[in-house]
Amino acid sequence: QSVLTQPPSVSGAPGQRVSISCTGSSSNVGAGYTVHWYQQLPGTAPKVLIYDDTNRPSGVPDRFSGFKSGSSASLAITGLQAEDEADYYCQSYDTGLSASVFGGGTKLTVL
Amino acid sequence: EVQLVQSGAEVKKPGESLKISCKGSGYRFEGNWIAWVRQVPGKGLEWMGIIYPGDADTRYSPSFQGRVTISTDNSISTAHLQWSSLKASDTAIYYCARGTKANTGAFYIWGQGTKVTVSS
Repeated sequence: QSVLTQPPSVSGAPGQRVSISCTGSSSNVGAGYTVHWYQQLPGTAPKVLIYDDTNRPSGVPDRFSGFKSGSSASLAITGLQAEDEADYYCQSYDTGLSASVFGGGTKLTVL
Repeated sequence: EVQLVQSGAEVKKPGESLKISCKGSGYRFEGNWIAWVRQVPGKGLEWMGIIYPGDADTRYSPSFQGRVTISTDNSISTAHLQWSSLKASDTAIYYCARGTKANTGAFYIWGQGTKVTVSS
């Protein structure tokens, strides 16, 4: 059970917008620690999509965007494409554990 | 090109020891943190710990403290993850990843993963 809670799955049709939440607490996201988001395609290593809450590395399409408010963060994907079907993970730091932590992951299905 | 290349898949028996590696290239190895991340088959990512090759500053997740050892050999730009006594529950894919901060930063470069199977 991760200290960062994500929905196990989300789905959407091509072209639609989906959002994936990452709910933390006052010992991690709520304490102001930044949130990062990763995409993991089947059989591959994770790839960073969003860093420091809202920033996109070069090469990541602007269809991906990050938000944070209070103890929660979210990843939004607009103009959903079949290639977006993957697992998505949030990451932050937890002061109670004195360690970085990942959310449990969310499987995105493109209908 | 900046990359991390990990050692190959391993099959071990419970109780055996193991050391896997992660070789960095294309950047100054000593100046960037290297983390290890576990992924049990069909499960999520777990942050195990992180090391700064420049001064060997090492931090572990409480879940892995005492179970694994993280180290580096800067002469060959390589980080290591080792076990002294494997358990079946250590069966997983292990990724190394490069970060710019100790605990709070993102991981921009990942190795390809090393699959470890522990079975009698």
